[in-house]
Amino acid sequence: KQEVTQIPAALSVPEGENLVLNCSFTDSAIYNLQWFRQDPGKGLTSLLLIQSSQREQTSGRLNASLDKSSGRSTLYIAASQPGDSATYLCAVQGVGKLTGGGNKLTFGTGTQLKVEL
Amino acid sequence: DAGVIQSPRHEVTEMGQEVTLRCKPISGHDYLFWYRQTMMRGLELLIYFNNNVPIDDSGMPEDRFSAKMPNASFSTLKIQPSEPRDSAVYFCASSYDTEAFFGQGTRLTVV
Repeated sequence: KQEVTQIPAALSVPEGENLVLNCSFTDSAIYNLQWFRQDPGKGLTSLLLIQSSQREQTSGRLNASLDKSSGRSTLYIAASQPGDSATYLCAVQGVGKLTGGGNKLTFGTGTQLKVEL
Repeated sequence: DAGVIQSPRHEVTEMGQEVTLRCKPISGHDYLFWYRQTMMRGLELLIYFNNNVPIDDSGMPEDRFSAKMPNASFSTLKIQPSEPRDSAVYFCASSYDTEAFFGQGTRLTVV
């Protein structure tokens, strides 16, 4: 059974700092890994998706890496801003009997980020 | 596209009552997922559909929960009878091949 762990559970940093969020998973047989952002009382917003054949993806100040063999992913946020404050969730999509997006996402418990002025 | 649309956004009901949550996936997406989020357990997959057919319902907690997808543009999650421990945020998500897109969720409170 796939298990996803995120460290740290909470993080508070001053504005402008570069930071790294960690995600680890126990079963390396994954189809892809997705990072989400969740604001309080809101739904999940997809940030980055890394296919199992890829090593990293970038979007603006965000960079996500994937090391499938070691079961790890990191989300790097450059020059953090107060607007980045949210909970960040990683989720892995397993390889199963269905191709493509047909297999369930297993979520980590998230990292609650607070960027202070 | 307006994204995944869920209704209602908030629901407060008394224990024992029937609750129906609704979801409209993104047009063209052929997978639909129902998740539940609680502080204690995080996000848990309840059930998912492919082309309107239930594929995996192993996450449905018990027989009080049921889900249907009568067509490609509509799904329901029903709880009957509801219990206080069902209080959570219920999310619907849809995807086509890879990236999953989530709705805003329904916050259910059972008193």
